[in-house]
Amino acid sequence: GENVEQHPSTLSVQEGDSAVIKCTYSDSASNYFPWYKQELGKGPQLIIDIRSNVGEKKDQRIAVTLNKTAKHFSLHITETQPEDSAVYFCAASPPGSNYQLIWGAGTKLIIKP
Amino acid sequence: DTAVSQTPKYLVTQMGNDKSIKCEQNLGHDTMYWYKQDSKKFLKIMFSYNNKELIINETVPNRFSPKSPDKAHLNLHINSLELGDSAVYFCASSLQGDYGYTFGSGTRLTVV
Repeated sequence: GENVEQHPSTLSVQEGDSAVIKCTYSDSASNYFPWYKQELGKGPQLIIDIRSNVGEKKDQRIAVTLNKTAKHFSLHITETQPEDSAVYFCAASPPGSNYQLIWGAGTKLIIKP
Repeated sequence: DTAVSQTPKYLVTQMGNDKSIKCEQNLGHDTMYWYKQDSKKFLKIMFSYNNKELIINETVPNRFSPKSPDKAHLNLHINSLELGDSAVYFCASSLQGDYGYTFGSGTRLTVV
């Protein structure tokens, strides 16, 4: 079955710098890759997603890139701000999974003032 | 407000007790989920219901029993609680055929 690995587990960056979180997946047929942000005391919230027919997608300061050949995708956050501090999860959805998501282990992003 | 709401937000109970967590969504979604998040933040799916029918039942002790009285509600009943059941439990919902999940704010269960 599908397996998603996420790195790093913790990432500390200076405010204003960029942050990159990477995920690899094992099932080359997976076709949907979302990123969720979980703030303290809250549930995960979808922030951006990408489908397998697209290589990159941007939404203001966040972007996701997908390399199907290498089976990895990354979340890029530019000009980081204190409110970006959270746990970020990647996920993948293999075909025939009834839209089930296979989750990465999460990355705790710390923005240093 | 349109949302996924869970009650209670916090639950502290003794080993061996039976407890329930309730979930309701007013988003018009037809698929609902229960997730368990452990102390290391790992998200593990437990159950998924579509239009009141169970479609995903991961390897979960049979002490955990979900119940969906209608497609807007999915409750989780836990019998004979154990220390290892301590975690945050999240309810989520989505539209069938759509990948977008909306999560509730979680129920922190502590078994003492």
